Amino acid sequence: SQQGEEDPQALSIQEGENATMNCSYKTSINNLQWYRQNSGRGLVHLILIRSNEREKHSGRLRVTLDTSKKSSSLLITASRAADTASYFCATGSSASKIIFGSGTRLSIRP
Amino acid sequence: DGGITQSPKYLFRKEGQNVTLSCEQNLNHDAMYWYRQDPGQGLRLIYYSQIVNDFQKGDIAEGYSVSREKKESFPLTVTSAQKNPTAFYLCASSNGRETNEQFFGPGTRLTVL
Repeated sequence: SQQGEEDPQALSIQEGENATMNCSYKTSINNLQWYRQNSGRGLVHLILIRSNEREKHSGRLRVTLDTSKKSSSLLITASRAADTASYFCATGSSASKIIFGSGTRLSIRP
Repeated sequence: DGGITQSPKYLFRKEGQNVTLSCEQNLNHDAMYWYRQDPGQGLRLIYYSQIVNDFQKGDIAEGYSVSREKKESFPLTVTSAQKNPTAFYLCASSNGRETNEQFFGPGTRLTVL
């Protein structure tokens, strides 16, 4: 079962522009996480936002969470070629497991 | 270096054969997970273990088996009962606490010939 659905499925932007990805989910959560996956590699944890938080920043990343709409967004500012990857949201409602969405494939054009 | 390793990186299997994928972590994490990823798709949970000698089925456990005899190790066996095993397999671990941030290995790409 996939809890999160990312939108868009694919995104292509010019280097230097901002990239925004959205995640919607269905049930109540304790936290929501964003991960990055470079092609053919494992996932890397980027940022976590708890259900009682509305916004969080980490470097060029900004995450928002709207629990009333069951949605989150990930903003990457001033994109770089190295940001080309797939980005996944993952929702946690218990300590035992998290559920991943289907991902957004981000391409940064030079 | 602390981390999580998977081996082999690439694995080829003939139909009808069982194969075992290795996953080892030295992060002292209690919980470990196996995911399957098909091309262009997200991750689907196969099995997970929150403590040694205990594990639970995930969403797609049929045709797979696991063991958790040591805290550091969580091998996955893909059996001949798995009808479509060609995929990218990812192992992860976490400290099993509230946030459940997961740390991933580099993955094993399994191809059935």
